[in-house]
Amino acid sequence: DIQMTQSPASLSASLGETVTIECLASEDIYSNLAWYQQKPGKSPQLLIYYANSLNDGVPSRFSGSGSGTQYSLKINSLQSEDVSIYFCQQNYDSPWTFGGGTKLELK
Amino acid sequence: QVQLKETGPDLVQLTQTLSITCTVSGFSLTTYNVHWVRQPPGKGLEWMGAMWNGGGTDYNSAFKSRLSISRDTSKSQVFLKMNSLQTDDTAKYFCAREVGNYPGVFDYWGQGVMVTVSS
Repeated sequence: DIQMTQSPASLSASLGETVTIECLASEDIYSNLAWYQQKPGKSPQLLIYYANSLNDGVPSRFSGSGSGTQYSLKINSLQSEDVSIYFCQQNYDSPWTFGGGTKLELK
Repeated sequence: QVQLKETGPDLVQLTQTLSITCTVSGFSLTTYNVHWVRQPPGKGLEWMGAMWNGGGTDYNSAFKSRLSISRDTSKSQVFLKMNSLQTDDTAKYFCAREVGNYPGVFDYWGQGVMVTVSS
C-alpha cells in the first residue's frame, strides 16, 4: 500500500496569514493526489484533485501543487472558516490511502 | 441535488455483524461508483471498499474476508456488511460518491453513521 505522510500534524496561524501543508507519498503517485477539508463533526469535503485542480465552489485562496512524491496545499489569506482538519489522499493505486491529517487552528 | 445518507446501528456487540445502508439521490448507481470510508474517533480516514457502477466490487485487503458490499439499484441503496467486529472497528462510517473521471476521488459524502462496538 502507498503510505501518505502529512506535515505538520497541527498548525496554528493568524487570520490573513498564508499556510502550507505538505504531503509525502511513499512512491510516485503521478499527481493523483486529492485534498479534503473536514470541519468538526462533519464529513470531508473535496477541495482539490489531481494535485492542483480546484473543486467546484472552493474559494480561490486554496491551491495545490506538487509532483512525484511531494505535494502541498496552500491557503492564502486565512479565514476563520478555514479552521478544519485537512487530509491528503492518493488515488493512484488501490487501496486508496489518506494522510494522517493536519489540524489547522487560529492563533 | 446529490445526496448520500447512511443508516445503521449506533451500537454493535463484539464479534457481531455490522450492517449499514447508504441511500443515494440525485444520481444513479449505474453511472457512479460508491465507496465506503471509515474514521475512528479522533483519527484519520480509511478506505474500505467500493461498489462499481457496473455491479462489481473492490475491497481493501486490510478487511480480508470480513467485508461485503452490495447494492439494490431499484432502491438506490448500497449496503456494507462487516462481520467479526472488534473494538477497533468503532468508527464513523461514511459512504461517498466517486468523481466521474477521477477514480478514487470522492466529491460527495454522506454525513456518516457513528458505530460503537461494545463488549
